[in-house]
Amino acid sequence: QQQVKQSPQSLIVQKGGISIINCAYENTAFDYFPWYQQFPGKGPALLIAIRPDVSEKKEGRFTISFNKSAKQFSLHIMDSQPGDSATYFCAASKADSWGKLQFGAGTQVVVTP
Amino acid sequence: GAGVSQSPSNKVTEKGKDVELRCDPISGHTALYWYRQSLGQGLEFLIYFQGNSAPDKSGLPSDRFSAERTGGSVSTLTIQRTQQEDSAVYLCASSSSPYGYTFGSGTRLTVV
Repeated sequence: QQQVKQSPQSLIVQKGGISIINCAYENTAFDYFPWYQQFPGKGPALLIAIRPDVSEKKEGRFTISFNKSAKQFSLHIMDSQPGDSATYFCAASKADSWGKLQFGAGTQVVVTP
Repeated sequence: GAGVSQSPSNKVTEKGKDVELRCDPISGHTALYWYRQSLGQGLEFLIYFQGNSAPDKSGLPSDRFSAERTGGSVSTLTIQRTQQEDSAVYLCASSSSPYGYTFGSGTRLTVV
């Protein structure tokens, strides 16, 4: 049973557009929600993360929006660039499991020139 | 080292053979994780080591899979009697805090 559900499976966006990826979770004990970016042939790399005490976190062109009551969080990539083309994974964990992450299925983002 | 190192980067093996995959975590990282990534799929948790505690093996898919971590550093994931469904990328990660891992580039295992 997948504990974190991610959508869409794939996404095509034009350069300069906004990419939006959504995730939903069931376990209310989760208290850490990171996003990872993965390029072909590489391992996933931490992109940005949020804790449930805030509703939004922004780092450069990347923003996480968090809705605790709906148990949903999303990644927004503003001004998308071809270099952002990658697979993005959302994840969740709880502090007492010391970071054992449950991952979503991933979203392949393609940014066209 | 500067990052998490995994070897080999690619492994092709015949069905029924045993394989060993190696992970060198970042020096000083107490936590080490193994995940499996099948083609086009998400990351499936396999096993987790934290310091000297007993490992969390809850994600191992069968008793053909085992892992050890020697001296709190290097880890080896062993798959016995490999099957075609074991074909995947095996990713290792390490961490020094409860939040955020550093992944290696993975070992791509192909069982033929």
